Amino acid sequence: AQSVTQLGSHVSVSEGALVLLRCNYSSSVPPYLFWYVQYPNQGLQLLLKYTTGATLVKGINGFEAEFKKSETSFHLTKPSAHMSDAAEYFCAVSGSSNTGKLIFGQGTTLQVKP
Amino acid sequence: GAVVSQHPSWVICKSGTSVKIECRSLDFQATTMFWYRQFPKQSLMLMATSNEGSKATYEQGVEKDKFLINHASLTLSTLTVTSAHPEDSSFYICKPLADTDTQYFGPGTRLTVL
Repeated sequence: AQSVTQLGSHVSVSEGALVLLRCNYSSSVPPYLFWYVQYPNQGLQLLLKYTTGATLVKGINGFEAEFKKSETSFHLTKPSAHMSDAAEYFCAVSGSSNTGKLIFGQGTTLQVKP
Repeated sequence: GAVVSQHPSWVICKSGTSVKIECRSLDFQATTMFWYRQFPKQSLMLMATSNEGSKATYEQGVEKDKFLINHASLTLSTLTVTSAHPEDSSFYICKPLADTDTQYFGPGTRLTVL
């Protein structure tokens, strides 16, 4: 069984500040981990994913995430927030890197203040 | 450009009517289609998985007679919400799966049942 917990349903940062969105997972098999971003009334866009290999994963728009097995975490970071980063962010887990059967976290709304 | 399309993007219907949502993969053939549902300000939940030419597999708690899925071709899958009620109002998102790694979700269909 797999599950995802995103700590903090709402995160607010100032423009230019560090963005940190937390994600912890539970998985009985080696996990494949994903971060998606969703803008209002739109579908999901993949930011980055971890399959195997390097634990620090770099994605689009300056985001990156680090897979920490010992902490069962996959937190998303960005050094400097931009106004356009304001959106809903979802962490997801799967038992395979190529599958649509994803288990999503509850989502975190990122607000960026000028 | 978009590789997955959904039609309609927004639909309002009266209670008791049926609504058909189409999902098309534009640049590839989708052997499998996943359908997700997202309630307002909530996360995505997998509803069902369909393979081209065979019956869909529904997740626990999803009524197969209410949410009819047809995956008649490798580029088209449809979800029909039968006898819709206000509690069916949601954002429906498809995700096709091809032989190669794809991470594209459809743009979603907003269903509002009055």
